[in-house]
Amino acid sequence: DGGITQSPKYLFRKEGQNVTLSCEQNLNHDAMYWYRQDPGQGLRLIYYSQIVNDFQKGDIAEGYSVSREKKESFPLTVTSAQKNPTAFYLCASSRSGTGVGNTIYFGEGSWLTVV
Amino acid sequence: AQTVTQSQPEMSVQEAETVTLSCTYDTSESDYYLFWYKQPPSRQMILVIRQEAYKQQNATENRFSVNFQKAAKSFSLKISDSQLGDAAMYFCAYRSAWSGGGADGLTFGKGTHLIIQP
Repeated sequence: DGGITQSPKYLFRKEGQNVTLSCEQNLNHDAMYWYRQDPGQGLRLIYYSQIVNDFQKGDIAEGYSVSREKKESFPLTVTSAQKNPTAFYLCASSRSGTGVGNTIYFGEGSWLTVV
Repeated sequence: AQTVTQSQPEMSVQEAETVTLSCTYDTSESDYYLFWYKQPPSRQMILVIRQEAYKQQNATENRFSVNFQKAAKSFSLKISDSQLGDAAMYFCAYRSAWSGGGADGLTFGKGTHLIIQP
């Protein structure tokens, strides 16, 4: 089935560690996104990529890094510089361009907890 | 920058009744898209309905419909014949129709928690 796969579903990080969340899509979408969700808040954009080998910072990029070496993959690294990383992370994708109002579709999310 | 406001943190409705969730937004753009997403306890974001700003006709998807008032910058979601499976967080979201500004992605409201009472 076509879709967006995030792994792992649950991840625990020790303070000072970097961790990487995986996101893979087989929808042939050009654009991919990472969002963070905290209790009582909507989703906030961390990074997005509209094409392979290019990505842009979103509203809350500090302490995060991404790569886009393949069209299908957009991994997110939560670095030790991110002071409050405990949150729910959602990966999303869409066809390229906003001119046709391409809908953004989401994966099932990953829970990250700092221990 | 655009903002999206959902003024109802929580709403409750009896099963089979109708409920309306409110959303307002602020933008200086004339062309954009609006969405309602549903997030059940599983946490996956599910698209409910989409509206193109250039269309005057309100979007409808089965029991879900919107009341889009462009001048008032209002985009409410009406759920008819509410079912237990409709219980979830509902998020209103905005997306610019112009990618030339460099920004992309969705701007979300903080959500409305919908409770369905049997």
